[in-house]
Amino acid sequence: DTGVSQNPRHKITKRGQNVTFRCDPISEHNRLYWYRQTLGQGPEFLTYFQNEAQLEKSRLLSDRFSAERPKGSFSTLEIQRTEQGDSAMYLCASSMTDRTQYFGPGTRLLVL
Amino acid sequence: AQSVAQPEDQVNVAEGNPLTVKCTYSVSGNPYLFWYVQYPNRGLQFLLKYITGDNLVKGSYGFEAEFNKSQTSFHLKKPSALVSDSALYFCAVSTDSWGKLQFGAGTQVVVTP
Repeated sequence: DTGVSQNPRHKITKRGQNVTFRCDPISEHNRLYWYRQTLGQGPEFLTYFQNEAQLEKSRLLSDRFSAERPKGSFSTLEIQRTEQGDSAMYLCASSMTDRTQYFGPGTRLLVL
Repeated sequence: AQSVAQPEDQVNVAEGNPLTVKCTYSVSGNPYLFWYVQYPNRGLQFLLKYITGDNLVKGSYGFEAEFNKSQTSFHLKKPSALVSDSALYFCAVSTDSWGKLQFGAGTQVVVTP
């Protein structure tokens, strides 16, 4: 499978714990995006990488959130001190410069 | 500020009938418009996009969409719906050079046999 992959697919955690998600983009794609989707809503942009550089962060990305893309390949999204409001589907997408974003299956987070 | 509106929460259509899912947008500058489909507990699957050129865009699985600049619309259409088209459909717009997408709230399509 040469699509975007995300791990884990599901994560249940207790409030206050830290969680980390991983995204492996399509190999030749230099652009990588993270989105968050809550029930009944469309995905909301969180952050964008071009190669290893994080070029934009949404105001939704509080200081408890951090994302990295070392060496311009896979990316990680970490949430520290999780809150119940962080419960959502976290989607990763990658693209080349043609703007077509291909999405992974997402990581569903439930904070108890 | 840019925005995307999908005025219908749900569209119901009988199998074999035409399907239309509406999308309107408000942006400054030239929009890049996209349609994605999402099946339960899955990521988003790309259907089609409008960047420039011909206003009628053809995409995957028999879907097409028409870009209408004067009405700021980008409605998704399929001439003959299938039960397997039942899913959640999202319209999205991008205007910046980095390509980040702003999505509508989604329209649930239900195709009955």
